[in-house]
Amino acid sequence: DTAVSQTPKYLVTQMGNDKSIKCEQNLGHDTMYWYKQDSKKFLKIMFSYNNKELIINETVPNRFSPKSPDKAHLNLHINSLELGDSAVYFCASSQTTTGYTFGSGTRLTVV
Amino acid sequence: KQEVTQIPAALSVPEGENLVLNCSFTDSAIYNLQWFRQDPGKGLTSLLLIQSSQREQTSGRLNASLDKSSGRSTLYIAASQPGDSATYLCAVPGGGADGLTFGKGTHLIIQP
Repeated sequence: DTAVSQTPKYLVTQMGNDKSIKCEQNLGHDTMYWYKQDSKKFLKIMFSYNNKELIINETVPNRFSPKSPDKAHLNLHINSLELGDSAVYFCASSQTTTGYTFGSGTRLTVV
Repeated sequence: KQEVTQIPAALSVPEGENLVLNCSFTDSAIYNLQWFRQDPGKGLTSLLLIQSSQREQTSGRLNASLDKSSGRSTLYIAASQPGDSATYLCAVPGGGADGLTFGKGTHLIIQP
């Protein structure tokens, strides 16, 4: 029943590891996104993905890569994790007429 | 580059008061504006979406207005309740990667 679901909810991992976060939306939205919320609770866009067109925020390191197997899924893969990657990552989807719907977030802790 | 400012950053009021949260944005060429609520440790819940052709939207005790020309939106909460305590976020399209630009939020506490 959940509109935008992401897994896992919590992720604790060591520096240098590679990890993935999965996201699925059942709203039929055309565009999906990944946002990062830092320790100061500020939300910033990382990627948007629309019909196989990927738009990357220029500030995102290339260790982060989104992967979309189909229109309803946008996964986030992170290579060589660093301490500064610790944050809450939110997946979202949107349609112009209905606005944005966000997932419940994945709290990533790099130790 | 779009920038969104929310005032006040924090607000603590007794239960029952009516209150106004403010949001301003620098680029008025937006097609909509969205207000969200975030509870501690939780995701974002959409409260109201105002299209650029609309002046306001209402949902229960919440009313949001939009003045595109002046780059401002307000969220009015009537008869506040302790359950309204949360961080309220204003967001407009126009961020990098074609996403939303968020304000830093207003942290609201309603005292019982």
